[in-house]
Amino acid sequence: EVKLQQSGDELVRPGASVKMSCKASGYTFTDYAMHWVKQSPGQGLEWIGTIIPLIDTTSYNQKFKGKATLTADKSSNTAYMELSRLTSEDSAVYYCAREGSEYYFDYWGQGVMVTVSS
Amino acid sequence: DIMMTQSPLSVAVTPGESASISCRSSKSLLHSNGITYLSWYLQRPEKSPQLLIYQISNLASGVSDRFSGSGSGTDFTLKISKVETEDVGIYYCVQFLEVPYTFGAGTKLELK
Repeated sequence: EVKLQQSGDELVRPGASVKMSCKASGYTFTDYAMHWVKQSPGQGLEWIGTIIPLIDTTSYNQKFKGKATLTADKSSNTAYMELSRLTSEDSAVYYCAREGSEYYFDYWGQGVMVTVSS
Repeated sequence: DIMMTQSPLSVAVTPGESASISCRSSKSLLHSNGITYLSWYLQRPEKSPQLLIYQISNLASGVSDRFSGSGSGTDFTLKISKVETEDVGIYYCVQFLEVPYTFGAGTKLELK
């Protein structure tokens, strides 16, 4: 069974950084790209970027360049996203999602709620 | 960026009736390889989104055949037949033709 287990919710101070994880199981981690998606409170969904774990190649939404950094650890089958210089605009739920074989998100993590507050 | 426009923004349906949701893209989603990269997702309350349909009309594994997708180019439709309680949530269309991948604003389906 494919599963994406994300790390726990975060409460962080403005200006700080946060790093969240997405541990994959039930499939070969390096066979699929991993994406990250933002859902702001009461808002829709935004694509942040993707990483191909096999070759550590990333692609970002221009809007999130400099804000998000995607990495992957093949030894632990875990993808990571770090968000830097946090502001209230970064308060949201962040999902990891696996890319299926033909450009779609076939499995999603449960989401990480990030709250930026002093 | 490709803009995805959904309509209606909300719809109330009597259980057992059908519902249709429209999605329009600002650019044709037909790739030069002949595949159209448009998929549909349902986000149930307090849950993560789940894949319903990919490449316009391909039903995802485990998804009820009450869901169907159609369309081409820039105009797409998701149809839900015999709506059930479990269909309540927000439906999103997404384009995967080019980055940044973009989502529609969502259509909220409620029961009458």
